This record gives sequence, structure tokens and C-alpha cells, in this order.
Amino acid sequence: DQQVKQNSPSLSVQEGRISILNCDYTNSMFDYFLWYKKYPAEGPTFLISISSIKDKNEDGRFTVFLNKSAKHLSLHIVPSQPGDSAVYFCAASEWGYQKVTFGTGTKLQVIP
Amino acid sequence: DAGITQSPRHKVTETGTPVTLRCHQTENHRYMYWYRQDPGHGLRLIHYSYGVKDTDKGEVSDGYSVSRSKTEDFLLTLESATSSQTSVYFCAISERGNEQYFGPGTRLTVT
Repeated sequence: DQQVKQNSPSLSVQEGRISILNCDYTNSMFDYFLWYKKYPAEGPTFLISISSIKDKNEDGRFTVFLNKSAKHLSLHIVPSQPGDSAVYFCAASEWGYQKVTFGTGTKLQVIP
Repeated sequence: DAGITQSPRHKVTETGTPVTLRCHQTENHRYMYWYRQDPGHGLRLIHYSYGVKDTDKGEVSDGYSVSRSKTEDFLLTLESATSSQTSVYFCAISERGNEQYFGPGTRLTVT
């Protein structure tokens, strides 16, 4: 049972445009959400997070939006750069809980 | 970057042999995790630890065991490796259990 779903395995975007990566979850107990970025042959790196008391969190070019009623979150990258080409994992947990559930990832390609 | 290393980085082994992967941290974080990454499955939790000698199972724990005798080291053991355990294994650490920091990974091939 996939509790965190990333339905788009891949996404291609032109450099300078907006990249939007989507994630859906089914567990209503999740109240903390994270995005990780992974380059080939490296471990995932933490990118940005959001708690359920917010609907938006911004860090530079990266913004995460949370729609609790729809159990949906998205990561916006503006403007997209070739160095953003990587696999992006959405993850979710219950605040204070030790385990995080990851989605299957979306491979983003930013075309110069 | 969080001080976290994994060894070995690559290993090829035969079916039925025991294998131990090591994760070492210099951050003194309480929580440590072992994941495997496979195409179409993302990152799946194998086992995790919430303190020295305190461990618990994740969603894909069958065929794996772990030990944590020191804060800085978390070992993952495949008692008798099978081809289905061919994967990339990642260790992660966390101070509070949510934001986790990952090691570089170990690519394991079981022939």
C-alpha cells in the first residue's frame, strides 16, 4: 500500500521555466512533509519541508505547497536550472515520529 | 554535509553468503536508518535505530538484521544473501526523526 505517491515518473522542463513536481498521500495522520533531491551515484539530500500548520514554505527558488484537504503537495522550482536535473522524492511523516515514508520519485530533466 | 560514511561502497557477493554493511556517523545523531532503493519502489525502510541497542523493523525487514553497539555505528547484515537483495543501500541519520541526512550509498550485487 503506497501511502505516498508520485504519479509522474519523469518530467522535462526548459531552462528558466517553472518545474512543478506533484505528490499525493493517503495517510491522514501525516503532518510533516519533505522533499529530497538525488543525483546519480549520490545519497538523497534534504531540500525543503513543510508542516501541516502551513500551506506554503519558500526557500529561494524552491517553494512547497500543501493542500491538506486534497492530501496533495507540490514542489515548485522557479526558475529551473540544468543543475536541478535529478530525481526528487516526496516524503511524509507524523510529527515527532521516527519514520518517514518516501514516494517513488520523479526524475526531472531541465533542458538548456 | 552531515558526517556520514558507508562501507563498502560497492560489493559483489554470491548467493548464500553473509554480508555486513557499515554506516558511521560523526554527528552524534540519535536516529539511524537503513533503506534500500530499487527502481519503481523509491526508498524503502529496512530497519532503524532510536538509540544504542534500540532498533525496530521497517517495511522490508525480512532477511536483514541490524546492530547498534555505539552511537556512531549502525550495521546492516544480510545473513544469507539472495539475488532479490541486489540493490543500492542507503544509511541515514537524524537528530529528531524527521529530517534525515543520507550517506553516499552502497551498491550491492548478489550473483
